Amino acid sequence: EAQVTQNPRYLITVTGKKLTVTCSQNMNHEYMSWYRQDPGLGLRQIYYSMNVEVTDKGDVPEGYKVSRKEKRNFPLILESPSPNQTSLYFCASSPTGVSYEQYFGPGTRLTVT
Amino acid sequence: DAKTTQPNSMESNEEEPVHLPCNHSTISGTDYIHWYRQLPSQGPEYVIHGLTSNVNNRMASLAIAEDRKSSTLILHRATLRDAAVYYCILRAGGTSYGKLTFGQGTILTVHP
Repeated sequence: EAQVTQNPRYLITVTGKKLTVTCSQNMNHEYMSWYRQDPGLGLRQIYYSMNVEVTDKGDVPEGYKVSRKEKRNFPLILESPSPNQTSLYFCASSPTGVSYEQYFGPGTRLTVT
Repeated sequence: DAKTTQPNSMESNEEEPVHLPCNHSTISGTDYIHWYRQLPSQGPEYVIHGLTSNVNNRMASLAIAEDRKSSTLILHRATLRDAAVYYCILRAGGTSYGKLTFGQGTILTVHP
């Protein structure tokens, strides 16, 4: 089944403890992206990657890192999480190009205390 | 980045058509118009997209104004499962297609 998977689905952590949220897709897509969703603010793009070793900032990249060493994986790294990064995170992927649809993962709910 | 404007919320009755508007007055010639929806407790899912011509698929129709400054997503017969947040976004052409800005979206309520 074609899908985007995220792990973990739920995570509660403490301020300053480094964490990684993994994202993997099995559709051989070149493009991958991370979003966060907060009440009243909608979906906001954090980082995106057009292909392996190519990443770029979205609208809210502060406090996050990404890497794209393999085509299928696009992990989101929070090196020193803070409470304002408590949010619902979505990963998405699509083929290259403006006219293709994005496939979204199920989301990761992160709470930083 | 070109932005979109949508009504915060809309209501419909089951089995009636729904027209969800979107304004994108700063759209550029190579921007595609994409629509996604987000059902409760799920990730967004693709609905439809278009460039200039009206588009139809099994989920919905997309009507694009001649000047491309607005578009309308049409659900021909709303069902309770169509209750969701609907997002209209612009995806830039060329090498800028990677950056995406989702607006607040329209919360669609469908009454039985």
